[in-house]
Amino acid sequence: GAGVSQSPRYKVAKRGQDVALRCDPISGHVSLFWYQQALGQGPEFLTYFQNEAQLDKSGLPSDRFFAERPEGSVSTLKIQRTQQEDSAVYLCASSFLGVSGANVLTFGAGSRLTVL
Amino acid sequence: AQSVTQPDIHITVSEGASLELRCNYSYGATPYLFWYVQSPGQGLQLLLKYFSGDTLVQGIKGFEAEFKRSQSSFNLRKPSVHWSDAAEYFCAVGTSGYALNFGKGTSLLVTP
Repeated sequence: GAGVSQSPRYKVAKRGQDVALRCDPISGHVSLFWYQQALGQGPEFLTYFQNEAQLDKSGLPSDRFFAERPEGSVSTLKIQRTQQEDSAVYLCASSFLGVSGANVLTFGAGSRLTVL
Repeated sequence: AQSVTQPDIHITVSEGASLELRCNYSYGATPYLFWYVQSPGQGLQLLLKYFSGDTLVQGIKGFEAEFKRSQSSFNLRKPSVHWSDAAEYFCAVGTSGYALNFGKGTSLLVTP
């Protein structure tokens, strides 16, 4: 597609529910990133995929967070047993390049998760 | 420790006035530097980037930024601000890896 598409745009979950957030990157983009942006903060790195391989998941805050990209295109970020502190905007970004500090990321509009 | 600092949380400027948003970084080597803008409900849009070469870089929407190695700074400037520039601005740094480290952002308010 023309840009990075994320769904749902808004999600309200009750504490303890599981949620799944989807990201459709730009076609042909090798790299895919997930970031978490809390209210009033800058985005924080969660995890990185190069094609279908998850090369870095060091930013995932707990084992309740899980991400996958099984066919090297669409990615899903899953949060199990949601907690209030998980409330944030989850941003997906993709890049044509592989591992490189000169990556130019294209971001989606984000999925805003509110945990009650 | 590696860090990105945007000292100004909020900035208010009059429409037509000049703008400078500050960004300082702390890294062991020269990093790759970016400025992104985020409007309400929108994703982050890349304004400009610095990888190497000319330290004054031009971006979209009339923005420019200057990399000053001696000051570890990458300040964003615009000579004349428009009301549509009101948004959140993020400075970001990439190193030899791939993830970006973002500052906490500066919120720009433009008054008539």
